[in-house]
Amino acid sequence: EVQLVQSGAEVKKPGESLKISCKGSGYTFTTYWIGWVRQMPGKGLEWMGIIYPGDSNTRYSPSFQGQVTISADKSISTAYLQWSSLKASDTAMYYCARRSTATRPVDSWGQGTLVTVSS
Amino acid sequence: QSALTQPPSASGSPGQSVTISCTGSSSDVGGYNYVSWYQQHPGKAPKLMIYEVSKRPSGVPDRFSGSKSGNTASLTVSGLQAEDEADYYCSSYAGSNNLGVFGGGTELTVL
Repeated sequence: EVQLVQSGAEVKKPGESLKISCKGSGYTFTTYWIGWVRQMPGKGLEWMGIIYPGDSNTRYSPSFQGQVTISADKSISTAYLQWSSLKASDTAMYYCARRSTATRPVDSWGQGTLVTVSS
Repeated sequence: QSALTQPPSASGSPGQSVTISCTGSSSDVGGYNYVSWYQQHPGKAPKLMIYEVSKRPSGVPDRFSGSKSGNTASLTVSGLQAEDEADYYCSSYAGSNNLGVFGGGTELTVL
C-alpha cells in the first residue's frame, strides 16, 4: 500500500526556522515526483513546489520561489519542506503529494502537517 | 498562473444530481485533457475522484463523472448521498513550465 506519512503539527514564532517531512513507503520513492501543497485556513489548494527524488530535480511555483526550500533524502525515502524565517502568513496546512509525471494527477496524499506561526 | 474558477457552493437533495463547473483558459483546461477532481472532507487530505477529464480511479463510485467543453470542465455527482458532502477542487495541467493549477474549491452540501 502506497503511503505518505508526514511529520507532526508545529507551533513556531515568527522568524524561527522549520523543516517538515514526508516519508514515502509502498512504492519506489525515486520514480515519483513529490510535491508540496499549501492550504491556508478556510482556503483552497496551492502548489508550492515539487521534487524528483531520483535526481533531486526541483521546481518551484513563482509565488514560493525563494520563500521555501524543498529537498529529499532518497536513502530514507523522505522529502522535506523548510523555511529559514517563518512569518505569521505561513500558518497553514501543508500536504505532500505524489504524482508520476506533470500530466498525471496526484494519486496519493500525506495526511497533512499543520504549521502555526504566532508570537 | 491564476486559479481556475469554481462556484463557491453547490447543493442538492439526496438522490438528486449536481454539477460543479471549473472554468480556466486555453492555457490550461481548454488546452489539455488533463483535468482532475479531488474530494476533501473537513480535516482530511484530498482524494482523487476523476482524472484526465472523465476517468475514475479504482474504488470511486460511478456516480461521479467528469466532462469538458472548451475551457470549462465539469464534475457531476449523481444519486447524491450524505457522504458526498465535502469540498471539491478541480485541477489542470498548464504546460511544461507550470506545476499545475487548482480551482478555488466548491463546497457541496447535501440538503
